[in-house]
Amino acid sequence: SQQGEEDPQALSIQEGENATMNCSYKTSINNLQWYRQNSGRGLVHLILIRSNEREKHSGRLRVTLDTSKKSSSLLITASRAADTASYFCAASMDSSYKLIFGSGTRLLVRP
Amino acid sequence: DTEVTQTPKHLVMGMTNKKSLKCEQHMGHRAMYWYKQKAKKPPELMFVYSYEKLSINESVPSRFSPECPNSSLLNLHLHALQPEDSALYLCASNPSTGRNTEAFFGQGTRLTVV
Repeated sequence: SQQGEEDPQALSIQEGENATMNCSYKTSINNLQWYRQNSGRGLVHLILIRSNEREKHSGRLRVTLDTSKKSSSLLITASRAADTASYFCAASMDSSYKLIFGSGTRLLVRP
Repeated sequence: DTEVTQTPKHLVMGMTNKKSLKCEQHMGHRAMYWYKQKAKKPPELMFVYSYEKLSINESVPSRFSPECPNSSLLNLHLHALQPEDSALYLCASNPSTGRNTEAFFGQGTRLTVV
């Protein structure tokens, strides 16, 4: 069963704009991870934020985590057409290597 | 070598066939996963192997049978599948050196059951 939900389900923006995606999860976690998937192929890991962290940056990516609200957000700044993909959050559960994915956001960046 | 390799890339099989999907990694990762993904849906966890032992089975039908012959290899044996089993099957591995490690995914096998 899915761990959580993401919103929006789809997002269309102009190149250069920022894109924000939100993720909610249901149970306690070790960490929250974000992945990108192009055209229904393999997933690529983007960033991991631990349960005791509140914010993390990697290049144009900024991730926040609010464990009290069981939610996370991914911000992509200065988007590029090449950022067009599906983005998924994934919750890593306590005491196991279980990794459960949220419903995903399909991002379209228009040139 | 930082890759997870899945073969075949595409597979078409009849409902009475028996086939196997293969996944290989040489990163020394000790946790390996099978996921199923339908179009426009998130990956859905099927199985997790930890140190070559099955640790999680997400109530997957017995027509899917996982096998982990060694620490580098993970198979998914398929038998008597249904058309609704058509999907992208993804394999992943995790270093499992701690709880805060990322998963590495293969490119998937696109399975069509006819």
